[in-house]
Amino acid sequence: GDSVTQMEGPVTLSEEAFLTINCTYTATGYPSLFWYVQYPGEGLQLLLKATKADDKGSNKGFEATYRKETTSFHLEKGSVQVSDSAVYFCALSEGGTYKYIFGTGTRLKVLA
Amino acid sequence: DAGITQSPRHKVTETGTPVTLRCHQTENHRYMYWYRQDPGHGLRLIHYSYGVKDTDKGEVSDGYSVSRSKTEDFLLTLESATSSQTSVYFCAISESDRGSDNSPLHFGNGTRLTVT
Repeated sequence: GDSVTQMEGPVTLSEEAFLTINCTYTATGYPSLFWYVQYPGEGLQLLLKATKADDKGSNKGFEATYRKETTSFHLEKGSVQVSDSAVYFCALSEGGTYKYIFGTGTRLKVLA
Repeated sequence: DAGITQSPRHKVTETGTPVTLRCHQTENHRYMYWYRQDPGHGLRLIHYSYGVKDTDKGEVSDGYSVSRSKTEDFLLTLESATSSQTSVYFCAISESDRGSDNSPLHFGNGTRLTVT
């Protein structure tokens, strides 16, 4: 079945460091891909999405490119801030179904 | 803002008691979901609904039931709570009338349930 695998955390970075959180997926069709962010005590918020191969999603300085050839959707940010400390979830959805599949989440901690 | 409200936000209950969690949306979206979030497991789907009185099971539905008598409300019931159901429960909606499609899910702020 479909699945999402993302790197285990926690990831600890200094402010202004470069961030990469790896995400790979398996899917039978042509899924849409998402990154969500969760701050303490809150629900998941959509960070960015991409709906087809080679699409790049971006928001708030974060980017991720839909790579069909490597079945990956890695999250990147050039310069992280303390306020980016949160848990990040990679997810996919198969069009025409009810299904959304989530990774287990990666906790990011950014130190001042 | 997708207008999703979950209640209660926190609940402590004893083993064996019934518990009902409520999810309310202010839009008229067709698809609603209940997930549980546990460390090391990410989000796991409990049940989902694709319309009034139309519901189906997710991957971890044992011990849970749901009801949707109105478009805006989706209730999750633990018939007899157990300690293994201690978790954070999230309601979510999809903007797509066809289920997942290319639309993201929008989440409520969660209910933290502790079963003692």
